[in-house]
Amino acid sequence: EVQLVESGGDLVKPGGSLRLSCAASGFIFSNAWMSWVRQAPGKGPEWVGRIKSKSDGGTTDYGAPVKGRFSISRDDSKNALYLQMNSLKSEDTAVYYCSTVIGKPRGYWGQGTLVTVSS
Amino acid sequence: DIVMTQSPLSLPVNPGEPASISCRSSQSLLHSNGYTYLDWYLQKTGQSPQIVISLGFNRASGVPDRFSGSGSGTDFTLKISRVEAEDVGVYYCMQALQIPITFGQGTRLEIK
Repeated sequence: EVQLVESGGDLVKPGGSLRLSCAASGFIFSNAWMSWVRQAPGKGPEWVGRIKSKSDGGTTDYGAPVKGRFSISRDDSKNALYLQMNSLKSEDTAVYYCSTVIGKPRGYWGQGTLVTVSS
Repeated sequence: DIVMTQSPLSLPVNPGEPASISCRSSQSLLHSNGYTYLDWYLQKTGQSPQIVISLGFNRASGVPDRFSGSGSGTDFTLKISRVEAEDVGVYYCMQALQIPITFGQGTRLEIK
């Protein structure tokens, strides 16, 4: 059974940093293209970014609102995905999901972790 | 960016009646490999989105056969042949053809 479990969400002040983690199981993580997707309160999902598998280059891409501030990385030895968030803004407040929206296994999301950016 | 437009945004349906949600993309979602990169998700209250239909018309594992996806190019439809109480929530279409991945605004299905 595919499982994605996010952690690390917290209350952080504007301008601060936070690192989210995602523990994956139930599939061959090293082969998967992994994404982070967020959802602000009362809004629809917004794609944050993606990291390819190392065999496909391991490259990352980001949505415009987070480019230059957020960074995605992975540790295939630990079946773990990370999201480093810097220079946080109030508009980054959202539930952050680890997901396999691209590639295989397709369409799995974790339960999400809440990030609140407020002074 | 590919813009995804859903209609209607609110859909009240009687139990047992059919329901249909439309999704239009600002450009074709057909890849040169023959796949159409359009997925449908259902988000129930307080839960993560769950995939219903992948790649245009493939029902996800465990999804009842009353759900079907159709369409091509830029116009897609999600149909529920007979709505049940467990189908309520917000439905999103999502394109995965091109980065950035984008979602429709969502259609809230409710039982009358």
